[in-house]
Amino acid sequence: QSVLTQPPSVSAAPGQKVTISCSGSSSNIGNNYVSWYQQLPGTAPKLLIYDNNKRPSGIPDRFSGSKSGTSATLGITGLQTGDEADYYCGTWDSSLSAVYVFGTGTKVTVL
Amino acid sequence: EVQLVESGGGLVQPGGSLRLSCAASGFTFSYYCMSWVRQAPGKGLEWVANIKQDGSEKYYVDSVKGRFTISRDNAKNSLYLQMNSLRAEDTAVYYCAREVPTWDAFDIWGQGTMVTVSS
Repeated sequence: QSVLTQPPSVSAAPGQKVTISCSGSSSNIGNNYVSWYQQLPGTAPKLLIYDNNKRPSGIPDRFSGSKSGTSATLGITGLQTGDEADYYCGTWDSSLSAVYVFGTGTKVTVL
Repeated sequence: EVQLVESGGGLVQPGGSLRLSCAASGFTFSYYCMSWVRQAPGKGLEWVANIKQDGSEKYYVDSVKGRFTISRDNAKNSLYLQMNSLRAEDTAVYYCAREVPTWDAFDIWGQGTMVTVSS
């Protein structure tokens, strides 16, 4: 099972804000950069955030990331129906011989 | 266009073998570390293995060590995953993904190929 814990689901109305937490430990989040991925139904994951809080070209600034200690957070403002998806955090884990670990995943529902 | 295209998935019996391929295009393949990530039906993402740019270093998740082998052919812009001694729990969509070393993230993903292990 994953070593990064996320809430199973979050929901909000269109235009509102949601935050998704990702809890880890000193061997992963505490000492490595965190990335966030969006997976729309039936599609491959897409990179949203890298290096804790940076957005690749083309990702709107409605998506933001932060990290504090052994936890990270993804924020989505101005929620849209197209944001309904699964979201995963990810980072390297230095205690497990250089393996990458993903979070348990969070389903975002737009009410 | 930067693209990754997986192939080789299918139905295989427990204990059987399968070789997945990932064809890269639109970028200099040899510059990047590459990974395989899988997703069991209705489940989350699981990183499986990665390989450095020149193939000199390879890392695996514990559950596939000794059974799976990742490799690459930079001349053919291709990544591979040889899967032996397959188990039912290996059933998943397998994605290849490009790693951006300075980002510690996977910025390009293929569409995935389905592997089903069942008798």
